[in-house]
Amino acid sequence: RKEVEQDPGPFNVPEGATVAFNCTYSNSASQSFFWYRQDCRKEPKLLMSVYSSGNEDGRFTAQLNRASQYISLLIRDSKLSDSATYLCVVFMNTGFQKLVFGTGTRLLVSP
Amino acid sequence: SAVISQKPSRDICQRGTSLTIQCQVDSQVTMMFWYRQQPGQSLTLIATANQGSEATYESGFVIDKFPISRPNLTFSTLTVSNMSPEDSSIYLCSTQGGVSDTQYFGPGTRLTVL
Repeated sequence: RKEVEQDPGPFNVPEGATVAFNCTYSNSASQSFFWYRQDCRKEPKLLMSVYSSGNEDGRFTAQLNRASQYISLLIRDSKLSDSATYLCVVFMNTGFQKLVFGTGTRLLVSP
Repeated sequence: SAVISQKPSRDICQRGTSLTIQCQVDSQVTMMFWYRQQPGQSLTLIATANQGSEATYESGFVIDKFPISRPNLTFSTLTVSNMSPEDSSIYLCSTQGGVSDTQYFGPGTRLTVL
């Protein structure tokens, strides 16, 4: 089983739609969680950190369910510029600190 | 967050040769990381590089293939040695952000091995 699993998509949505991505992680020792955004041929950029049950930043809401070991990202009122791959990332500190990346969920927002 | 640059941004190399990728940060950082992103895949950590100590490699990556230098707190290099087409990938360096477990990435080096 992969340490971090995501639906690869693509999710095709019209502008203005609400879309949600889920991510599951296997290691219960995981300490913190992030969503990164990666545009085509670009480096990943931090979108949101998720330290407790969740947080909200404008149109973006991230939620964490430690009991079920999943993280979600909700995007409201989708914009064309939201088209990208969204990477679910888990921080582990099990002797060595490291980030573990999911394979990403691709979002395509169309006019 | 720190500003991170990488050189070269891309390269096309012949099988059997080696390429050294440079990563420069505009501020001093304790930990730097090197990742590989193969076509259509997510990021995989190659190694963690701390200044003044040997790099710590992840399972499946060895120092002979991916030697790393970390001469100071703002710079690191990753060498991809004796390259084969399977090494064609994007190589990214990253540093820790203000909160210890966040990371910020350089723009990446796109390597193609023929």
